[in-house]
Amino acid sequence: GAGVSQTPSNKVTEKGKYVELRCDPISGHTALYWYRQSLGQGPEFLIYFQGTGAADDSGLPNDRFFAVRPEGSVSTLKIQRTERGDSAVYLCASSSARTDTQYFGPGTRLTVL
Amino acid sequence: QKEVEQNSGPLSVPEGAIASLNCTYSDRGSQSFFWYRQYSGKSPELIMSIYSNGDKEDGRFTAQLNKASQYVSLLIRDSQPSDSATYLCAVLRGGADGLTFGKGTHLIIQP
Repeated sequence: GAGVSQTPSNKVTEKGKYVELRCDPISGHTALYWYRQSLGQGPEFLIYFQGTGAADDSGLPNDRFFAVRPEGSVSTLKIQRTERGDSAVYLCASSSARTDTQYFGPGTRLTVL
Repeated sequence: QKEVEQNSGPLSVPEGAIASLNCTYSDRGSQSFFWYRQYSGKSPELIMSIYSNGDKEDGRFTAQLNKASQYVSLLIRDSQPSDSATYLCAVLRGGADGLTFGKGTHLIIQP
């Protein structure tokens, strides 16, 4: 079946703008995760959803970052008042209820000018 | 503070040799351990998972776990140029939870 998909693949924005990044998990996967990866670093956990609710948002760096998953499938990561330091690859992953193995999407490369 | 430590490399290994990648973690409550491979410009791809002390083999890959020493390793036998990538070690405290990743080890297989 189809893997995790993310759109857009690349996003260039200006400092101070608002951006939305979308993730479509593997069909039937109940858990969805967002990570951020900067150059030369491993992915850094941001937030995870179990169904529609955010089970753990302890990794969100500040209140400019927000994520939703209103119907328990597709999720949107929202970043307000973007800063140059937000530039990174934003990765989404999903896992099924039967296993803790997380499968990653291709990522969205965000560049804030 | 949960930490996962890896030697960033680069680790250079001749083709056909065994590549050995190591990882230590700080959280004794960690229950699940993963190795991901990441090619440049791509997303992480799962190679192995391991949950119990000892060795787990899958083809040319062997994962080793020692919870007492808080140490995980990945051995790649008969290394191929296509194995050249960054290898990320990740740990999970339990169930559905955010993974904690190391910075990754850059592996280069020399033809």
